[in-house]
Amino acid sequence: DTAVSQTPKYLVTQMGNDKSIKCEQNLGHDTMYWYKQDSKKFLKIMFSYNNKELIINETVPNRFSPKSPDKAHLNLHINSLELGDSAVYFCASSQGAGGAGETQYFGPGTRLLVL
Amino acid sequence: AQSVTQPDIHITVSEGASLELRCNYSYGATPYLFWYVQSPGQGLQLLLKYFSGDTLVQGIKGFEAEFKRSQSSFNLRKPSVHWSDAAEYFCAVAYSGTYKYIFGTGTRLKVLA
Repeated sequence: DTAVSQTPKYLVTQMGNDKSIKCEQNLGHDTMYWYKQDSKKFLKIMFSYNNKELIINETVPNRFSPKSPDKAHLNLHINSLELGDSAVYFCASSQGAGGAGETQYFGPGTRLLVL
Repeated sequence: AQSVTQPDIHITVSEGASLELRCNYSYGATPYLFWYVQSPGQGLQLLLKYFSGDTLVQGIKGFEAEFKRSQSSFNLRKPSVHWSDAAEYFCAVAYSGTYKYIFGTGTRLKVLA
């Protein structure tokens, strides 16, 4: 059974388009995260939600809007895509309130390429 | 600023040889330390973690790591590397009172047959 799943796995799109990436976890976890991994493999937190409430919002352009319809889902919508948005986006989840000691479980990633 | 340093961008070892991947974190009280592995085209999988107690922690796939507070280090080791260990390895730290991991830049491991 897939614990943290993301769709789509690959996304190729033109600059200026709007796209969404979906994430679902079946672990019963309360907290979910979005990370961006750039071309140099550097991983950086973007957002996290605990029970549908935003708890981390890093300095991310407001073209990125996370949406959590319920605690098992955290979707990422990106408006007006730019070349620099090309990256791998990882969703993750953890059991508790998102505290420092919690183990995070990662999805397989969504590879976004903006042309 | 809080940070994690993995000094080795690439490491190449022969199959069967021992391995040590280095990780240093910036000073902070009560660090929570993690090692993750990312195989090509895959997500991240937790190898092991340290919260407190015994400073030598055992993980999956035969990996272990040792926490040394005096050196602000959490190095990952494996006594005998297998070809399937070729991957990217990430060290991460989180601090009590915060809600996020800080990842290192990763070390790419290549294994020679």
